Amino acid sequence: NAGVTQTPKFRVLKTGQSMTLLCAQDMNHEYMYWYRQDPGMGLRLIHYSVGEGTTAKGEVPDGYNVSRLKKQNFLLGLESAAPSQTSVYFCASSALRQESYTFGSGTRLTVV
Amino acid sequence: DAKTTQPNSMESNEEEPVHLPCNHSTISGTDYIHWYRQLPSQGPEYVIHGLTSNVNNRMASLAIAEDRKSSTLILHRATLRDAAVYYCILSRIQGAQKLVFGQGTRLTINP
Repeated sequence: NAGVTQTPKFRVLKTGQSMTLLCAQDMNHEYMYWYRQDPGMGLRLIHYSVGEGTTAKGEVPDGYNVSRLKKQNFLLGLESAAPSQTSVYFCASSALRQESYTFGSGTRLTVV
Repeated sequence: DAKTTQPNSMESNEEEPVHLPCNHSTISGTDYIHWYRQLPSQGPEYVIHGLTSNVNNRMASLAIAEDRKSSTLILHRATLRDAAVYYCILSRIQGAQKLVFGQGTRLTINP
């Protein structure tokens, strides 16, 4: 039982490049989330999804896009990376409202 | 979303109980209280959550004040592996569940 899997685990991008972070969960969870965590800070919600085909903005959505074409996958895209997007990105999923979140192990992204 | 207030850091000794406080004076009747912890270089991990009554599980206990304006996470017998940042978070029943993380409490366990 893998839980929540994030790929890649590490990535270095040049300013202006694009990339997609993949989150996959095998628990049949309805809700999925993308957070970012900057050094010494708590997590901030970027985007979330309450079901296949739905997405919604969180606290810090600018510069990111997401898609949930399949229930088990939630993709986070950076169209034109900026140094301010250097961060650790965490994906999470939950079954229902007020149920516990399961987090992935994170993707460490550096934009130079 | 209602906010929570936690001490920036706490320290305790191995094999002793730890009480981590959280104030949430603006909590509404439809807010659940969640606790997560984050070990170094890992994603957050669920600890416990509750609405009104005290809750127990294999990891910890959650004591909720009668007026719900504060709560305490209790680790009954701390180990070195409990050293982490602990987050107290409120989540509203209605609408999409979104956990908003604050700064949390950094717990240090002394051997």
